[in-house]
Amino acid sequence: NAGVTQTPKFQVLKTGQSMTLQCAQDMNHNSMYWYRQDPGMGLRLIYYSASEGTTDKGEVPNGYNVSRLNKREFSLRLESAAPSQTSVYFCASRDRDGETQYFGPGTRLLVL
Amino acid sequence: DAKTTQPTSMDCAEGRAANLPCNHSTISGNEYVYWYRQIHSQGPQYIIHGLKNNETNEMASLIITEDRKSSTLILPHATLRDTAVYYCIVRGRNTGGFKTIFGAGTRLFVKA
Repeated sequence: NAGVTQTPKFQVLKTGQSMTLQCAQDMNHNSMYWYRQDPGMGLRLIYYSASEGTTDKGEVPNGYNVSRLNKREFSLRLESAAPSQTSVYFCASRDRDGETQYFGPGTRLLVL
Repeated sequence: DAKTTQPTSMDCAEGRAANLPCNHSTISGNEYVYWYRQIHSQGPQYIIHGLKNNETNEMASLIITEDRKSSTLILPHATLRDTAVYYCIVRGRNTGGFKTIFGAGTRLFVKA
């Protein structure tokens, strides 16, 4: 049971480049989340998916798109990366009836 | 979801109890108090949650005041490995948005 996995662990992009952050969970959870965390700050919700086939905006959705490919996978796409998107990105999942969120190890993104 | 207020940082001596306060004066009747922590560079980790009764598990104890406007997370015998940022979150269970918003949290320093 790997829990929540994220790829890549690190990425450097140039301004304007695009990329997709991958997240997968093997706990059969219904809801999945994408957060970003800037230095010295708490986590801010970008997008979430309450169940397969649905996605909703969080606090800071601008500049991002998401896809809930299936129950296991929830990807985050940056179409045209900007330096302001330099951050650590965390994916999480939660079962509908469960009390806790489980977080992945994070993806560290640097946009030059 | 109700807003929470936590001190920015706290110190604790190794082996002593760490008491982390949280104010949530606008909490509503169906909202739970959750605590997570984030050790440097890792994803957040669930610690404990409660509604109105005090709760204890292998990691910590949660004391919620009778009016539910504040709570305290207690780490009974803090170790150096407990140095982390601790987040207090208030949200309804299985609410429509399935969202969990993390604030800045309390940075706990456990000192030898």
